[in-house]
Amino acid sequence: EAQVTQNPRYLITVTGKKLTVTCSQNMNHEYMSWYRQDPGLGLRQIYYSMNVEVTDKGDVPEGYKVSRKEKRNFPLILESPSPNQTSLYFCASSLRDGAEKLFFGSGTQLSVL
Amino acid sequence: KQEVTQIPAALSVPEGENLVLNCSFTDSAIYNLQWFRQDPGKGLTSLLLIQSSQREQTSGRLNASLDKSSGRSTLYIAASQPGDSATYLCAVRPGMNTDKLIFGTGTRLQVFP
Repeated sequence: EAQVTQNPRYLITVTGKKLTVTCSQNMNHEYMSWYRQDPGLGLRQIYYSMNVEVTDKGDVPEGYKVSRKEKRNFPLILESPSPNQTSLYFCASSLRDGAEKLFFGSGTQLSVL
Repeated sequence: KQEVTQIPAALSVPEGENLVLNCSFTDSAIYNLQWFRQDPGKGLTSLLLIQSSQREQTSGRLNASLDKSSGRSTLYIAASQPGDSATYLCAVRPGMNTDKLIFGTGTRLQVFP
């Protein structure tokens, strides 16, 4: 089954403790991205990647890192999480075929205390 | 700066009604527009994608229209069912050279029996 898989689904952590949210897709998509969703603000792009070893900042990249060492994986790293990073995070991927229909993971609800 | 607005924020209708969800955007120079459905705990699912050269797209009971010059899109749902209850998001892709989507904040739809 074609899908984007995120882990974990729920995460509670404390300020300053490094964490990684994993994202994997099995559709051989070139494009992958991370969004965060906050009430009243909608989804905002954090980082994106056009292909392996190619990443770039989205609209709200501060406090986040990403890497794209393999085509299927695009982990999101929070080196020193802060409470303002409490949010619902989504990973997404698409082909770069002109349509770029976006496929989303099920989300990771992160709480930073 | 492109901004996407969805009105109303919430809508409650009885089963069987035909309904229209609205999406407006401030910059008419878009590459495409997508409508998504978001269910709690299940991420986002792409429903319809309209390229900037198209006027509408249809899938089953769903019809999405696009009027670029006026900066508007509508999602028409025919013969609504309780299973249509979800949050509906529209997102615009600003241009061909970016894969970023700019999302509205969504319309939360409840269809009651």
